Amino acid sequence: DVKVTQSSRYLVKRTGEKVFLECVQDMDHENMFWYRQDPGLGLRLIYFSYDVKMKEKGDIPEGYSVSREKKERFSLILESASTNQTSMYLCASSSTTEGEKLFFGSGTQLSVL
Amino acid sequence: RKEVEQDPGPFNVPEGATVAFNCTYSNSASQSFFWYRQDCRKEPKLLMSVYSSGNEDGRFTAQLNRASQYISLLIRDSKLSDSATYLCVVKNGGFKTIFGAGTRLFVKA
Repeated sequence: DVKVTQSSRYLVKRTGEKVFLECVQDMDHENMFWYRQDPGLGLRLIYFSYDVKMKEKGDIPEGYSVSREKKERFSLILESASTNQTSMYLCASSSTTEGEKLFFGSGTQLSVL
Repeated sequence: RKEVEQDPGPFNVPEGATVAFNCTYSNSASQSFFWYRQDCRKEPKLLMSVYSSGNEDGRFTAQLNRASQYISLLIRDSKLSDSATYLCVVKNGGFKTIFGAGTRLFVKA
């Protein structure tokens, strides 16, 4: 089974801090995604990457950046955390050749105080 | 208008009941459709893809109506373990995958 691992399940940070969320997948998937999930809004795409060192903005990239230096790892960076970035962050991966199924990590609940 | 809309529920049904959810999408050029299931405090997992001809997987049946731009999920003989949030997912080509906000289902004994 595909495993997508997110580094932290819960994270508490202060306003203005730089925050790194790490995601690793073990199935050699080309595509990786970062979503945030908020009540009533569903999952919203922040950034995605379809190859090493490639990145594309999703629907809500403001205040975030990403890094993909290795195929298996996709990092989400909050340059200066704000309270409106308190959310559940979900990483996902998919294979271009194996259809469109998304495999999600278990999520990181980030609270910015 | 949201690109993908679902009734948030909750739907409260007894065990053994049949329950159906609908989901509407706004982009007539949407290409692929899915239902994901998300348990409380867990990550979403693919439940089933939705094909133009409709498809069935055990107690679950998914259908697509392109003319009216909606997809549906029917669950027969509901089990307690079916309690979850069901996410409607639409893909518009490329990497753009849009999630609905989900429909909550509670199955009670």
